[in-house]
Amino acid sequence: EPEVTQTPSHQVTQMGQEVILRCVPISNHLYFYWYRQILGQKVEFLVSFYNNEISEKSEIFDDQFSVERPDGSNFTLKIRSTKLEDSAMYFCASSTGADTQYFGPGTRLTVL
Amino acid sequence: AQSVSQHNHHVILSEAASLELGCNYSYGGTVNLFWYVQYPGQHLQLLLKYFSGDPLVKGIKGFEAEFIKSKFSFNLRKPSVQWSDTAEYFCAVNTGGYNKLIFGAGTRLAVHP
Repeated sequence: EPEVTQTPSHQVTQMGQEVILRCVPISNHLYFYWYRQILGQKVEFLVSFYNNEISEKSEIFDDQFSVERPDGSNFTLKIRSTKLEDSAMYFCASSTGADTQYFGPGTRLTVL
Repeated sequence: AQSVSQHNHHVILSEAASLELGCNYSYGGTVNLFWYVQYPGQHLQLLLKYFSGDPLVKGIKGFEAEFIKSKFSFNLRKPSVQWSDTAEYFCAVNTGGYNKLIFGAGTRLAVHP
């Protein structure tokens, strides 16, 4: 069964550094999403992406965040200058747009 | 704004006990409803979903959920839990197939043998 994959599984970085989280969505899916879950809190929507542009973003997704689909398979989330409060589990998801969103295993980001 | 409430944050059961996890949402229009499960060390997996039709939906591993529109609820049930059901359960809603999911806070279920 096709799966969403994410790399790395764990990323440790220093405050102020840039990080790029990578996702490979399911191949025939057209809609892509990033969510995050700070430890002990709800899973929160960050951004959705369709047809090579952002279709919706949350208040969390400020100018420090960007997303890109650099090629036909990868979908990336970049955080330009990480803050301590960016420490969280980041989940990528994809869907056909008409049905369920399928989630990847997540990347645990730790900002020191 | 849309929101999802899960009433139980932690539930502890013995094997063979029955399970019901509550989920309520606030949104006046048409919604799609989901239950996801996250087993220890694994990613979010879909348990079941409701888009339309029969309000009683059956999912994987013997789980079912009932959509009660008048109560804005979508409670998850299983008649007899197993140790392997130990996981965190998330209720989620969206307002259209491609729209963002709004999650509840999750319920941690521990099943003791």
